[in-house]
Amino acid sequence: DAGVTQSPTHLIKTRGQQVTLRCSPKSGHDTVSWYQQALGQGPQFIFQYYEEEERQRGNFPDRFSGHQFPNYSSELNVNALLLGDSALYLCASSLLRESGPEQYFGPGTRLTVT
Amino acid sequence: RKEVEQDPGPFNVPEGATVAFNCTYSNSASQSFFWYRQDCRKEPKLLMSVYSSGNEDGRFTAQLNRASQYISLLIRDSKLSDSATYLCVVTLFNDYKLSFGAGTTVTVRA
Repeated sequence: DAGVTQSPTHLIKTRGQQVTLRCSPKSGHDTVSWYQQALGQGPQFIFQYYEEEERQRGNFPDRFSGHQFPNYSSELNVNALLLGDSALYLCASSLLRESGPEQYFGPGTRLTVT
Repeated sequence: RKEVEQDPGPFNVPEGATVAFNCTYSNSASQSFFWYRQDCRKEPKLLMSVYSSGNEDGRFTAQLNRASQYISLLIRDSKLSDSATYLCVVTLFNDYKLSFGAGTTVTVRA
């Protein structure tokens, strides 16, 4: 059973460029969330996709956008990159259980903006 | 005020010791609580859910105090492999957004 996968593993971009990150959820999961984790901080919620729609969004500017495909995989796009966008970007897929939603994270994409 | 606050540590403990740390949350409507573990430069992994009555999973014990809005994690008989950052996570009922603390770093030394 494949877990959550993300690509690429690492990425280096220049300020002002655009980037697309990709995620495939764990088998059987239909909800994908994206998080940004800066060094020394906990992950911060960017947004969540369900049934190909953005269902919930965190406190991130419109430069951050996403998409979910019919096979539940997802993309995160960031336009006009800033140095502050350098972080680990984590994708998580969800399965609702009795104790509440549990999310399973992929290995992340480490983005460096120079 | 941050949604979830944790003592960053680090907690440096010898093998076999007991270590405990807390996390506080600000939203009294929070319904689900978790502890995640994150190894250096890796993804967070679910360690355990936290139930209202408290729960154990092997050497790990989690407690929830709704009145004071805090969660605790206790690790008994610490192993070298317990060295990690422990992330406190809170969410609202049926809300898939996870609110993370910044993490508590635990280092277990031989």
